[in-house]
Amino acid sequence: QQQVKQSPQSLIVQKGGISIINCAYENTAFDYFPWYQQFPGKGPALLIAIRPDVSEKKEGRFTISFNKSAKQFSLHIMDSQPGDSATYFCAASNAGKSTFGDGTTLTVKP
Amino acid sequence: GAGVSQSPRYKVAKRGQDVALRCDPISGHVSLFWYQQALGQGPEFLTYFQNEAQLDKSGLPSDRFFAERPEGSVSTLKIQRTQQEDSAVYLCASSQGTVSREQYFGPGTRLTVT
Repeated sequence: QQQVKQSPQSLIVQKGGISIINCAYENTAFDYFPWYQQFPGKGPALLIAIRPDVSEKKEGRFTISFNKSAKQFSLHIMDSQPGDSATYFCAASNAGKSTFGDGTTLTVKP
Repeated sequence: GAGVSQSPRYKVAKRGQDVALRCDPISGHVSLFWYQQALGQGPEFLTYFQNEAQLDKSGLPSDRFFAERPEGSVSTLKIQRTQQEDSAVYLCASSQGTVSREQYFGPGTRLTVT
């Protein structure tokens, strides 16, 4: 049973464009929703996170939108840059234990 | 240290061998997590420690997998009688407190079982 579903699997965006990655979850006990960025050969790095009592959180070029009733959340990367090319994972956490989506490979073309 | 470190970075084991993977969390971090990441997939939870206490081991795939953190800092994940399906990247993460959610990941150990 996959508790966190992520889409799309891969995404190609032109430099300066907006990248949007979506996730949906099932377990309403989740209370923390982070996004991670992972480069090849490295561990995931926390990018931005949100709690379910907030509908949006913005940090620099990265924004999380959260829809509690729909059990969905998304990552928006504004002004995407080639250096943003990486794999992005959403996760949902309860009592510290995180369940991850399967990842989205983002390629930003110059 | 500045971040979470893991050793070895790469391990090749013959099927049936035992392996031990080490994690050094960020100094002072109370919570420590182990995840397994198969190729092309997201990390999957294995087990969780708070100090030296193993509070959740529900993700360990079989009794061949064993983790410990005897002094509440360094942790070791041991896999006995390795099988080909154990081939994956094993990630360790730590977080500062018992309720903090931010997890900091190490670079992982890539295990290949031949």
